Amino acid sequence: GESVGLHLPTLSVQEGDNSIINCAYSNSASDYFIWYKQESGKGPQFIIDIRSNMDKRQGQRVTVLLNKTVKHLSLQIAATQPGDSAVYFCAENYGGSQGNLIFGKGTKLSVKP
Amino acid sequence: EAGVVQSPRYKIIEKKQPVAFWCNPISGHNTLYWYLQNLGQGPELLIRYENEEAVDDSQLPKDRFSAERLKGVDSTLKIQPAELGDSAVYLCASSSQYNEQFFGPGTRLTVL
Repeated sequence: GESVGLHLPTLSVQEGDNSIINCAYSNSASDYFIWYKQESGKGPQFIIDIRSNMDKRQGQRVTVLLNKTVKHLSLQIAATQPGDSAVYFCAENYGGSQGNLIFGKGTKLSVKP
Repeated sequence: EAGVVQSPRYKIIEKKQPVAFWCNPISGHNTLYWYLQNLGQGPELLIRYENEEAVDDSQLPKDRFSAERLKGVDSTLKIQPAELGDSAVYLCASSSQYNEQFFGPGTRLTVL
């Protein structure tokens, strides 16, 4: 079946550098995408979302880019901090409501001081 | 405002034993979700409730798993009997309709 996947399972960056986490999705009917951050022992935490009628959305220190042509999603974190160390998941939604989320496998981000 | 509350946080049982997880969603959230998360994987939806009604339980293994959400607030997820492969983190999330899902800390189940 179709599923969301991630290109890299781990990513290590220096504190202060920018981080880019990538995600490939395969469901062309998906119309809504979300990035979640999950710290050890905690549930996923919403970071930022984007709808399929947009190709870029910015938040505080984070930017999500959506390329529907190649079915690619990325999360950019500016000036990465030690507190950003976590596993990051992309999730795709189809069918309108947020109920139908499919999560990818996750990328572990480690920030070196 | 309190977040999604789950209990217990950890549970260790022997195979073939029953186990139950409890979830208290954020006040006012009519939609409640149960997810299963295996190590290194993303969460997978088991069941979604809109108020008291289970509107999506297609991924719930109904031979051993059951869930209920009486009065449209708290929810319980049960496994009976548990199998070794059920070892995972069980996450509960809630949302107001069509909005962001807020996750609880999860219950880590170990089946021996």
